[in-house]
Amino acid sequence: EAGVAQSPRYKIIEKRQSVAFWCNPISGHATLYWYQQILGQGPKLLIQFQNNGVVDDSQLPKDRFSAERLKGVDSTLKIQPAKLEDSAVYLCASSLVSDTQYFGPGTRLTVL
Amino acid sequence: DAKTTQPPSMDCAEGRAANLPCNHSTISGNEYVYWYRQIHSQGPQYIIHGLKNNETNEMASLIITEDRKSSTLILPHATLRDTAVYYCIVRVAYNFNKFYFGSGTKLNVKP
Repeated sequence: EAGVAQSPRYKIIEKRQSVAFWCNPISGHATLYWYQQILGQGPKLLIQFQNNGVVDDSQLPKDRFSAERLKGVDSTLKIQPAKLEDSAVYLCASSLVSDTQYFGPGTRLTVL
Repeated sequence: DAKTTQPPSMDCAEGRAANLPCNHSTISGNEYVYWYRQIHSQGPQYIIHGLKNNETNEMASLIITEDRKSSTLILPHATLRDTAVYYCIVRVAYNFNKFYFGSGTKLNVKP
């Protein structure tokens, strides 16, 4: 069984630029999650989708972050414009419903 | 979701059992205990979860105390590849409550 795929693995941008991350969950998994992990901390949930609907986006900075999951499969997370404090690893995870989550390798973002 | 308390770091000799403790004194009756680990530069990896009975799989064993206020993850024969941050999480399964990842325990397996 293929795992959660994410791209790119690394991204370096200047502040005020925009960036997008892509996630392809495990086949058949209805729930998809985006996490932000700042160096030295545990992952923090940004947004959770059930199929293509948003279940929880309470910790998503909506003035600059957006996410979508068209057709209930792949998802993209966008930051526009980026700030220095957005430097982090962005993790995507999926689960069948809302049980055990399986994580992708993450995208390491550096904002200069 | 209940909060958990874990030691920030632990050492273990290669080949010995690693016992990682977790306190979750405010756990509710319908909250499961989950364990994940994160090896450097990788995404978190699911290890095991349980409600009140002890659980074992090919990776580890989970021992939950009778009052459910604490648990221990046991890696029976630690290897250098088990060096990672281990997260203990409690949550209600099969609803949409968040997974709260704390800071975890950094396990250092030494030769």
